Amino acid sequence: GQSLEQPSEVTAVEGAIVQINCTYQTSGFYGLSWYQQHDGGAPTFLSYNALDGLEETGRFSSFLSRSDSYGYLLLQELQMKDSASYFCATASGGSYIPTFGRGTSLIVHP
Amino acid sequence: DVKVTQSSRYLVKRTGEKVFLECVQDMDHENMFWYRQDPGLGLRLIYFSYDVKMKEKGDIPEGYSVSREKKERFSLILESASTNQTSMYLCASSPSTRPRGANVLTFGAGSRLTVL
Repeated sequence: GQSLEQPSEVTAVEGAIVQINCTYQTSGFYGLSWYQQHDGGAPTFLSYNALDGLEETGRFSSFLSRSDSYGYLLLQELQMKDSASYFCATASGGSYIPTFGRGTSLIVHP
Repeated sequence: DVKVTQSSRYLVKRTGEKVFLECVQDMDHENMFWYRQDPGLGLRLIYFSYDVKMKEKGDIPEGYSVSREKKERFSLILESASTNQTSMYLCASSPSTRPRGANVLTFGAGSRLTVL
């Protein structure tokens, strides 16, 4: 089977940088995705890494190391609106069905 | 703007009732999914479909069934609702392109079901 581990909660102050880690155990790995979900809202896609390295999209970056089965989401210049849950996910194996981690609740303080 | 639309945002049903949750996507996606989300447990896959009339069980299919008669519509059915099925239900879709497409899901707003 597949499993993804991420911290349950991370707190930071406005303007800071925060990193949310994700470690995974899977077979037939095809990449790692990140999603953001605000309270009461639907998850929305943030990024996808198929290869090792850093992908940058504005204030958000995502990193993958396949040899370490590890990835992270980096949020810079934190804003209050970044307070949300963040999920890592991977679609692996022949079926390409995404499995999600349990999510990290990010709390941004003024 | 592309969308996944879930028919009901909030539902309250009684134990033993049959419940239908409808989901429609307008992106011509091949893959559609039903997830259940509970606090501390993340998103758990109930069923998915990769084509019309095709369906596969996910991690927690017990007590649920699905129907996909048209490409754009994927329905989740609770034959006899129970209190432990009180939850947020999320529908999602993705294109069949691999591997990136399968890793990029578009979600509906969710249907919060309460079973009394």
